[in-house]
Parts: sequence; C-alpha cells; structure tokens
Amino acid sequence: DAGVIQSPRHEVTEMGQEVTLRCKPISGHNSLFWYRQTMMRGLELLIYFNNNVPIDDSGMPEDRFSAKMPNASFSTLKIQPSEPRDSAVYFCASTRPDRNEKLFFGSGTQLSVL
Amino acid sequence: SQQGEEDPQALSIQEGENATMNCSYKTSINNLQWYRQNSGRGLVHLILIRSNEREKHSGRLRVTLDTSKKSSSLLITASRAADTASYFCATDAEYGNKLVFGAGTILRVKS
Repeated sequence: DAGVIQSPRHEVTEMGQEVTLRCKPISGHNSLFWYRQTMMRGLELLIYFNNNVPIDDSGMPEDRFSAKMPNASFSTLKIQPSEPRDSAVYFCASTRPDRNEKLFFGSGTQLSVL
Repeated sequence: SQQGEEDPQALSIQEGENATMNCSYKTSINNLQWYRQNSGRGLVHLILIRSNEREKHSGRLRVTLDTSKKSSSLLITASRAADTASYFCATDAEYGNKLVFGAGTILRVKS
C-alpha cells in the first residue's frame, strides 16, 4: 500500500492567493483527518470526515478555510484567500473503519504564504 | 487547547541510555497513543494503550498509563541514534472521534 498521499509536498504562494491541498487516504480507510502543525501551536486538528461526511470542523480557523471529501479516495483543503499566518505544515491522516486508532499520516504539505 | 502535554520539551542522551518522556492529559480517555515524527516527515504510530491497561511493551518501548493521575510515560530502552525524533502523545476523549496531540518531546540521541 502506498500510504496516505499528499500533494503538493511544498507550496509557496503570495498573500491573497487561493491554495488547494490534496490528500488520498489509504484504501479502505473511512475516516480522514486534516491537521496543521506550527511551532507555536503544535498539531491542531482542523476537521475530520467519516464516510466522506464532515463530522467536526470546529478546528477550522475561519471561513477562509474549507474542506471537502467528494469520495472515499480524495479530499481537499482549500484556503481562500491565503494569509502569511497560514504558513504551516498541513497533514492528512486516515484510519480504519469505525476505529479511531492508529492514524496513518501523509508526509505533509509545507505551505509558505509570502 | 491541547489535551496532552509532554515533558520534557527536549531531551538529549547518549546512545545506549534510556529515554523517558511523560504526558499529562485533562479529560477522561478511551486510549492514549504515542507517535514519532522524524524531521520533515509525517507522524508514525508507535503504540496504543487503553484506559483499562496500565502497562504495555513493544520491542524497546514501554508505555505506562495512570488514569488516576491522568498521565502516561514512554520509555525507550537502549536508545540508538536513529531514535532521534520528536515524540507525541495523543488522546481521544470518551466522546467524539478525534485524536488530540500534545506539544511533543524532542529527543536527541548522540552517538
């Protein structure tokens, strides 16, 4: 299995631009999580999905952030418009059906907003 | 706010020594997990201990859980340079279905 696949690996953009981060979970996993990691705030859970349905988006910082999961094999996290304070590493993780155990993480997207 | 808090924030030891990291949390849990993160990489699951367990072993790893004190410890025995990484504890609340991570301990093992 290829594991959780995230793209792009690195993203550099200018303030105000739209940013889309992509994630392909492990086949057969039905829970998907988006985390953000910064030095100041550590790992923050932004949103998670069960069976493609958003369950808890209370960690999404503000309306500039949105996430979708149109099918079991793909999710996006979009920031529009982006701001310098959004600079962070964004991780996607997935886990097996009905079990919130042993998250499998992708390699992350390093986002820099100039 | 973060559920788990690790200490120390950073730990530097010599190869062959044991490393102990601690985690405290605030609310009741179903389980507690430990993850490792190498620089520039995603987190990797190490071990899970359930709320009704007190100790668990996996290779050179030993995890303890004290639910009365809401704390856990991760012991890495006979450390190796390859153990150099950040280590995070993560807890799931009894309600909900999400893992909350602590701030992590940065471990450096010198060869």
